[in-house]
Amino acid sequence: GAGVSQSPSNKVTEKGKDVELRCDPISGHTALYWYRQSLGQGLEFLIYFQGNSAPDKSGLPSDRFSAERTGGSVSTLTIQRTQQEDSAVYLCASSLEKATTPFFGSGTQLSVL
Amino acid sequence: DAKTTQPPSMDCAEGRAANLPCNHSTISGNEYVYWYRQIHSQGPQYIIHGLKNNETNEMASLIITEDRKSSTLILPHATLRDTAVYYCIVRVEGDYKLSFGAGTTVTVRA
Repeated sequence: GAGVSQSPSNKVTEKGKDVELRCDPISGHTALYWYRQSLGQGLEFLIYFQGNSAPDKSGLPSDRFSAERTGGSVSTLTIQRTQQEDSAVYLCASSLEKATTPFFGSGTQLSVL
Repeated sequence: DAKTTQPPSMDCAEGRAANLPCNHSTISGNEYVYWYRQIHSQGPQYIIHGLKNNETNEMASLIITEDRKSSTLILPHATLRDTAVYYCIVRVEGDYKLSFGAGTTVTVRA
């Protein structure tokens, strides 16, 4: 059916608050990615999930960032104690299998005041 | 560790073909060339990918040189809606990682 769905599309929060960003991948896709794009910058890889394998967390910028994927479908990216430098667009992508073509959602614009 | 080189920007005339170059001189035999584009305020959109043969789909054509050191993405009839940042990415076969560079900002002008 539909493509990758992300919610909310926009999130404004205060410095120090925790936020959760949600990603619904394309149905049947086993691989899921999170990227971050700061204003005027390229895409920065954050984390990758593939089936039941341990995720690749190598791109998470600090221990304030975490992500989980429940039941091999929906994923949540959590940022604790947000900082102003966390302001960015957070993009989720999914692909059918490990090395197949990823398709992206429209992203969540996070603004930390 | 950029594996691709693209011009930072280019202009194209509406209705004409847009030819977007990409250099990947250190590409290995098991690395694919992927193209995505990102229209303002949207997520990246997949366009096309190839290994060594030329590829065509409903959006574009991908021409890869015989030595595979460069490629060209062709939008056959550019429209104003094709204005976007276009990313050329080299991806190892079997690997999940996609590394985005700065891309080419393409502006289609009426």
